[in-house]
Amino acid sequence: DVKVTQSSRYLVKRTGEKVFLECVQDMDHENMFWYRQDPGLGLRLIYFSYDVKMKEKGDIPEGYSVSREKKERFSLILESASTNQTSMYLCASSFGQPNTGELFFGEGSRLTVL
Amino acid sequence: GENVEQHPSTLSVQEGDSAVIKCTYSDSASNYFPWYKQELGKRPQLIIDIRSNVGEKKDQRIAVTLNKTAKHFSLHITETQPEDSAVYFCAASSGTSYGKLTFGQGTILTVHP
Repeated sequence: DVKVTQSSRYLVKRTGEKVFLECVQDMDHENMFWYRQDPGLGLRLIYFSYDVKMKEKGDIPEGYSVSREKKERFSLILESASTNQTSMYLCASSFGQPNTGELFFGEGSRLTVL
Repeated sequence: GENVEQHPSTLSVQEGDSAVIKCTYSDSASNYFPWYKQELGKRPQLIIDIRSNVGEKKDQRIAVTLNKTAKHFSLHITETQPEDSAVYFCAASSGTSYGKLTFGQGTILTVHP
């Protein structure tokens, strides 16, 4: 079974704090993704990575950065959290070409920024 | 970039009825169209996908159809059951090698026993 594990299920942070969301996958997948899920807006891609130290912007990268130092780990960083970043964050991984392979999602991290 | 529109946003059916969810996309170069199901409190999971060289694909009670000319694709669920209740997302790839998968807004399907 593919396992994608997100470090925190629920976080509450204050405006201006730096936030780290960590994701680890155990299937040696090349590709890893960070999505944001909001009701009525679906899943929106923040960043993705197709190799170690490689990253590509998604549709809504503003206010976020990512780090991929090891193949199995992909971190999402909010340098200075704002209330409009309150959301559910989903990590995913896939094998092969990034846009044509099955995505395996983590259980999500629900972030509340006060 | 790619834009995917999904309708309806909510769908309520009686057990045993059929359910149809429709999506349109904007990028004619898109060539991969998956559907994900997300049960309440759980992670999204792939249920079926179709590629641009195929017009229809079926897997037991679910089927997906693709009309490349009109740039739309649909999910069909027959003989719905209460366990089909979930949020369903369509998606389309942008078609380039490292392109992005763009998701629709989601459809909340409720199947009443």
